[in-house]
Amino acid sequence: QKEVEQNSGPLSVPEGAIASLNCTYSDRGSQSFFWYRQYSGKSPELIMFIYSNGDKEDGRFTAQLNKASQYVSLLIRDSQPSDSATYLCAVNIDAGNMLTFGGGTRLMVKP
Amino acid sequence: EAGVAQSPRYKIIEKRQSVAFWCNPISGHATLYWYQQILGQGPKLLIQFQNNGVVDDSQLPKDRFSAERLKGVDSTLKIQPAKLEDSAVYLCASRARSGMNTEAFFGQGTRLTVV
Repeated sequence: QKEVEQNSGPLSVPEGAIASLNCTYSDRGSQSFFWYRQYSGKSPELIMFIYSNGDKEDGRFTAQLNKASQYVSLLIRDSQPSDSATYLCAVNIDAGNMLTFGGGTRLMVKP
Repeated sequence: EAGVAQSPRYKIIEKRQSVAFWCNPISGHATLYWYQQILGQGPKLLIQFQNNGVVDDSQLPKDRFSAERLKGVDSTLKIQPAKLEDSAVYLCASRARSGMNTEAFFGQGTRLTVV
C-alpha cells in the first residue's frame, strides 16, 4: 500500500502568521504532488501542485518539494480565518494517474 | 465549463439494503475516480477508470461494491448489501488525460448514512 502521511492536527495559528503543513510519501516513484483544501461539508478544491524539487509560489501559498527526503510542504503566509479548513496532500503515484490522498491536516486560524 | 455532477446528494438506507450513486464527469475527461471519505479522514480511492477501462480497483470491497463506466462517460457505483461502516461521503472526481500534472475536479459528493 503506497502511503501518504499527514499530521491530523489541529494546527492552530494566529491570524497573520505563517502556517506550515507537511506531508510525507512512501513511493519514490511519485511524480507530482497536489495540495487540496476542503472546507467542512464541502468537496476538495485544488490550491496548487508541484512536480520539481524546490519551491513554487502562488500568492500567499508556497509549495515545497524535496524528493530525496520524500517530503512536500505547504506554507500559507498571512494566514486568515478564512483559511481555516482541512488541507489534503495528494500524490500522483505513476503515469497511470493514480491519485492517493493523505488523511489531511485541520488548520485553525484564530482572529 | 460544467463541473462534475453527482446524485443523489444525500441518501439514508438501512443496513443490508442496496444503493447506487451516479457521476457525470467533466466533458472530455478520460480519467474518473470514486473515493470514499469517512468523517475525519482523507479520501480513500475505491476505483479509477481510464475511459471505460478499470485502472485500479485494489481497494474496492468487491464482495459488496461494484462500479461501471459505460461508454467512457457516466459512472455508477453500487453497494449491495450496505453495512453500517459504509456510512461516508462518496466523491467522484475526473481528470483530463493530458498528464499527471493536471487537476482532478471533484463533484459535490453523496453523503450516505446506513442505519
